[in-house]
Amino acid sequence: GAVVSQHPSRVICKSGTSVKIECRSLDFQATTMFWYRQFPKQSLMLMATSNEGSKATYEQGVEKDKFLINHASLTLSTLTVTSAHPEDSSFYICSARDGGRGQNNSPLHFGNGTRLTVT
Amino acid sequence: GENVEQHPSTLSVQEGDSAVIKCTYSDSASNYFPWYKQELGKRPQLIIDIRSNVGEKKDQRIAVTLNKTAKHFSLHITETQPEDSAVYFCAAKVNQAGTALIFGKGTTLSVSS
Repeated sequence: GAVVSQHPSRVICKSGTSVKIECRSLDFQATTMFWYRQFPKQSLMLMATSNEGSKATYEQGVEKDKFLINHASLTLSTLTVTSAHPEDSSFYICSARDGGRGQNNSPLHFGNGTRLTVT
Repeated sequence: GENVEQHPSTLSVQEGDSAVIKCTYSDSASNYFPWYKQELGKRPQLIIDIRSNVGEKKDQRIAVTLNKTAKHFSLHITETQPEDSAVYFCAAKVNQAGTALIFGKGTTLSVSS
Protein backbone atom coordinates (compact mmCIF):
# COMPACT_ATOMS: atom_id res chain seq x y z
CA GLY A 1 0.00 0.00 0.00
CA ALA A 2 0.91 3.64 -0.27
CA VAL A 3 3.52 4.78 2.22
CA VAL A 4 4.41 8.23 3.43
CA SER A 5 7.74 8.57 5.18
CA GLN A 6 8.38 11.45 7.57
CA HIS A 7 11.69 12.40 9.20
CA PRO A 8 12.80 13.01 11.81
CA SER A 9 10.43 11.28 14.20
CA ARG A 10 11.65 13.32 17.14
CA VAL A 11 13.67 16.49 17.41
CA ILE A 12 14.69 18.65 20.31
CA CYS A 13 16.05 22.07 19.51
CA LYS A 14 16.89 25.27 21.28
CA SER A 15 14.74 28.34 21.08
CA GLY A 16 15.64 30.49 18.08
CA THR A 17 16.92 27.71 15.87
CA SER A 18 15.26 26.27 12.76
CA VAL A 19 14.10 22.72 12.20
CA LYS A 20 13.38 21.02 8.89
CA ILE A 21 10.91 18.15 8.60
CA GLU A 22 10.78 15.99 5.49
CA CYS A 23 7.79 14.19 4.07
CA ARG A 24 8.22 11.70 1.26
CA SER A 25 5.74 9.64 -0.68
CA LEU A 26 7.60 6.38 -1.26
CA ASP A 27 5.59 4.57 -3.90
CA PHE A 28 3.36 7.18 -5.45
CA GLN A 29 3.48 10.73 -6.72
CA ALA A 30 1.77 13.43 -4.75
CA THR A 31 1.15 16.79 -6.37
CA THR A 32 -0.40 17.90 -3.11
CA MET A 33 0.67 17.19 0.46
CA PHE A 34 -0.91 18.44 3.64
CA TRP A 35 0.74 19.49 6.88
CA TYR A 36 -1.12 19.14 10.14
CA ARG A 37 -0.21 20.08 13.69
CA GLN A 38 -1.53 18.28 16.74
CA PHE A 39 -1.17 19.57 20.29
CA PRO A 40 -1.54 17.09 23.17
CA LYS A 41 -5.04 15.68 23.48
CA GLN A 42 -6.27 17.83 20.62
CA SER A 43 -7.30 17.29 17.05
CA LEU A 44 -5.27 17.48 13.88
CA MET A 45 -5.31 21.06 12.69
CA LEU A 46 -4.54 21.75 9.06
CA MET A 47 -1.63 24.15 8.75
CA ALA A 48 -1.05 24.32 5.03
CA THR A 49 -1.46 22.63 1.70
CA SER A 50 1.79 22.02 -0.12
CA ASN A 51 1.62 22.18 -3.90
CA GLU A 52 4.35 20.75 -6.10
CA GLY A 53 6.02 23.49 -8.09
CA SER A 54 4.04 26.36 -6.61
CA LYS A 55 3.49 28.22 -3.37
CA ALA A 56 1.86 26.55 -0.42
CA THR A 57 -1.58 27.56 0.73
CA TYR A 58 -1.68 28.42 4.42
CA GLU A 59 -4.64 28.22 6.76
CA GLN A 60 -5.79 31.31 8.58
CA GLY A 61 -3.60 32.06 11.56
CA VAL A 62 -0.58 30.10 10.31
CA GLU A 63 2.43 32.33 9.62
CA LYS A 64 3.90 31.51 6.23
CA ASP A 65 7.21 33.16 7.10
CA LYS A 66 7.55 31.03 10.19
CA PHE A 67 6.49 27.72 8.69
CA LEU A 68 8.28 27.51 5.36
CA ILE A 69 7.03 24.85 3.00
CA ASN A 70 8.85 23.63 -0.06
CA HIS A 71 7.41 21.03 -2.43
CA ALA A 72 10.19 20.71 -4.98
CA SER A 73 9.29 17.32 -6.39
CA LEU A 74 6.32 15.00 -6.72
CA THR A 75 7.59 12.90 -3.83
CA LEU A 76 9.01 15.37 -1.33
CA SER A 77 7.64 18.21 0.74
CA THR A 78 9.53 19.91 3.55
CA LEU A 79 8.33 22.01 6.45
CA THR A 80 10.84 24.27 8.13
CA VAL A 81 9.97 25.76 11.48
CA THR A 82 12.05 28.93 11.61
CA SER A 83 13.15 30.65 14.80
CA ALA A 84 11.39 28.02 16.85
CA HIS A 85 9.92 28.91 20.23
CA PRO A 86 8.62 26.67 23.03
CA GLU A 87 5.03 27.30 21.91
CA ASP A 88 5.90 25.64 18.59
CA SER A 89 6.43 22.37 20.43
CA SER A 90 3.90 20.00 18.94
CA PHE A 91 3.34 16.88 16.87
CA TYR A 92 3.63 17.69 13.16
CA ILE A 93 2.16 15.22 10.69
CA CYS A 94 2.29 15.27 6.93
CA SER A 95 -0.12 13.48 4.65
CA ALA A 96 -0.56 12.82 0.98
CA ARG A 97 -3.05 11.30 -1.38
CA ASP A 98 -2.13 9.02 -4.24
CA GLY A 99 -3.16 11.32 -7.06
CA GLY A 100 -2.29 8.69 -9.62
CA ARG A 101 -5.43 6.81 -8.74
CA GLY A 102 -7.43 9.58 -10.35
CA GLN A 103 -9.76 9.99 -7.42
CA ASN A 104 -10.16 13.19 -5.47
CA ASN A 105 -11.31 11.17 -2.50
CA SER A 106 -8.80 8.32 -2.37
CA PRO A 107 -7.58 7.68 1.20
CA LEU A 108 -5.16 10.09 2.77
CA HIS A 109 -1.91 8.50 3.89
CA PHE A 110 -0.14 9.90 6.93
CA GLY A 111 3.49 10.02 7.85
CA ASN A 112 4.52 8.83 11.31
CA GLY A 113 4.72 12.37 12.57
CA THR A 114 7.49 14.47 14.10
CA ARG A 115 7.52 15.28 17.79
CA LEU A 116 9.12 18.72 18.07
CA THR A 117 10.28 19.96 21.45
CA VAL A 118 11.70 23.46 21.67
CA THR A 119 13.62 24.20 24.86
CA GLY B 1 -14.90 26.49 5.02
CA GLU B 2 -15.81 23.11 6.38
CA ASN B 3 -16.40 22.69 10.11
CA VAL B 4 -16.69 19.27 11.73
CA GLU B 5 -18.20 18.75 15.17
CA GLN B 6 -17.67 15.47 17.02
CA HIS B 7 -19.37 14.03 20.09
CA PRO B 8 -18.78 12.78 22.68
CA SER B 9 -15.26 13.87 23.57
CA THR B 10 -14.86 10.84 25.85
CA LEU B 11 -16.66 7.52 25.90
CA SER B 12 -16.25 4.67 28.34
CA VAL B 13 -17.83 1.28 27.70
CA GLN B 14 -17.59 -2.23 29.04
CA GLU B 15 -16.00 -4.88 26.88
CA GLY B 16 -18.62 -6.36 24.59
CA ASP B 17 -20.81 -3.27 24.54
CA SER B 18 -21.34 -1.09 21.51
CA ALA B 19 -19.88 2.37 21.05
CA VAL B 20 -21.30 5.15 18.88
CA ILE B 21 -19.53 8.36 17.93
CA LYS B 22 -21.36 11.09 16.05
CA CYS B 23 -20.17 13.89 13.80
CA THR B 24 -21.80 16.74 11.96
CA TYR B 25 -20.38 18.79 9.13
CA SER B 26 -21.24 22.18 7.73
CA ASP B 27 -20.29 22.17 4.05
CA SER B 28 -22.94 20.49 1.91
CA ALA B 29 -20.27 20.08 -0.81
CA SER B 30 -18.41 17.55 1.34
CA ASN B 31 -18.76 14.05 0.03
CA TYR B 32 -16.03 11.98 1.63
CA PHE B 33 -16.11 11.02 5.30
CA PRO B 34 -13.32 8.88 6.76
CA TRP B 35 -12.79 7.75 10.33
CA TYR B 36 -9.34 7.45 11.85
CA LYS B 37 -8.07 5.67 14.93
CA GLN B 38 -5.04 7.13 16.67
CA GLU B 39 -3.07 5.47 19.42
CA LEU B 40 -0.89 7.55 21.70
CA GLY B 41 2.10 9.02 19.91
CA LYS B 42 1.26 7.37 16.61
CA ARG B 43 -0.13 8.52 13.32
CA PRO B 44 -3.84 8.27 12.57
CA GLN B 45 -4.90 5.04 10.89
CA LEU B 46 -7.85 4.92 8.54
CA ILE B 47 -10.40 2.41 9.81
CA ILE B 48 -13.36 3.02 7.53
CA ASP B 49 -14.65 5.64 5.13
CA ILE B 50 -17.86 6.44 3.34
CA ARG B 51 -18.74 8.47 0.30
CA SER B 52 -21.87 10.49 -0.12
CA ASN B 53 -23.48 8.13 -2.60
CA VAL B 54 -23.72 5.50 0.12
CA GLY B 55 -25.82 5.61 3.30
CA GLU B 56 -24.10 2.87 5.26
CA LYS B 57 -20.94 0.81 5.14
CA LYS B 58 -19.84 -2.05 7.33
CA ASP B 59 -16.54 -3.79 7.92
CA GLN B 60 -16.73 -6.57 10.50
CA ARG B 61 -17.36 -4.88 13.88
CA ILE B 62 -17.21 -1.38 12.47
CA ALA B 63 -19.94 0.45 10.60
CA VAL B 64 -20.47 4.01 9.46
CA THR B 65 -23.77 5.65 8.58
CA LEU B 66 -24.27 8.88 6.68
CA ASN B 67 -27.27 11.19 6.55
CA LYS B 68 -26.56 13.79 3.90
CA THR B 69 -29.78 15.65 4.46
CA ALA B 70 -28.99 16.21 8.11
CA LYS B 71 -25.25 16.49 7.43
CA HIS B 72 -24.23 13.99 10.04
CA PHE B 73 -22.42 10.68 10.09
CA SER B 74 -21.73 8.17 12.81
CA LEU B 75 -19.26 5.44 13.69
CA HIS B 76 -20.58 2.28 15.29
CA ILE B 77 -18.30 -0.26 16.95
CA THR B 78 -19.94 -3.46 18.13
CA GLU B 79 -18.58 -6.06 20.55
CA THR B 80 -15.92 -3.66 21.75
CA GLN B 81 -12.57 -5.01 22.92
CA PRO B 82 -9.88 -3.41 25.10
CA GLU B 83 -7.69 -2.99 22.01
CA ASP B 84 -10.35 -0.68 20.57
CA SER B 85 -9.30 1.87 23.20
CA ALA B 86 -7.86 4.86 21.34
CA VAL B 87 -8.76 8.31 20.07
CA TYR B 88 -11.12 8.30 17.11
CA PHE B 89 -11.38 11.17 14.67
CA CYS B 90 -14.01 11.80 12.06
CA ALA B 91 -13.21 13.95 9.05
CA ALA B 92 -14.86 15.46 6.02
CA LYS B 93 -13.64 16.56 2.63
CA VAL B 94 -15.03 18.46 -0.29
CA ASN B 95 -14.82 16.63 -3.62
CA GLN B 96 -12.27 18.91 -5.19
CA ALA B 97 -8.70 18.21 -6.17
CA GLY B 98 -6.18 19.43 -3.67
CA THR B 99 -8.55 19.95 -0.76
CA ALA B 100 -7.62 18.68 2.68
CA LEU B 101 -9.46 16.63 5.26
CA ILE B 102 -10.96 18.64 8.08
CA PHE B 103 -11.02 16.73 11.34
CA GLY B 104 -13.34 16.66 14.29
CA LYS B 105 -11.92 17.18 17.78
CA GLY B 106 -11.70 13.50 18.53
CA THR B 107 -13.30 10.99 20.90
CA THR B 108 -11.27 9.14 23.49
CA LEU B 109 -12.76 5.66 23.72
CA SER B 110 -11.95 3.53 26.74
CA VAL B 111 -13.02 -0.10 26.77
CA SER B 112 -12.72 -1.77 30.13
CA SER B 113 -12.60 -5.52 30.59
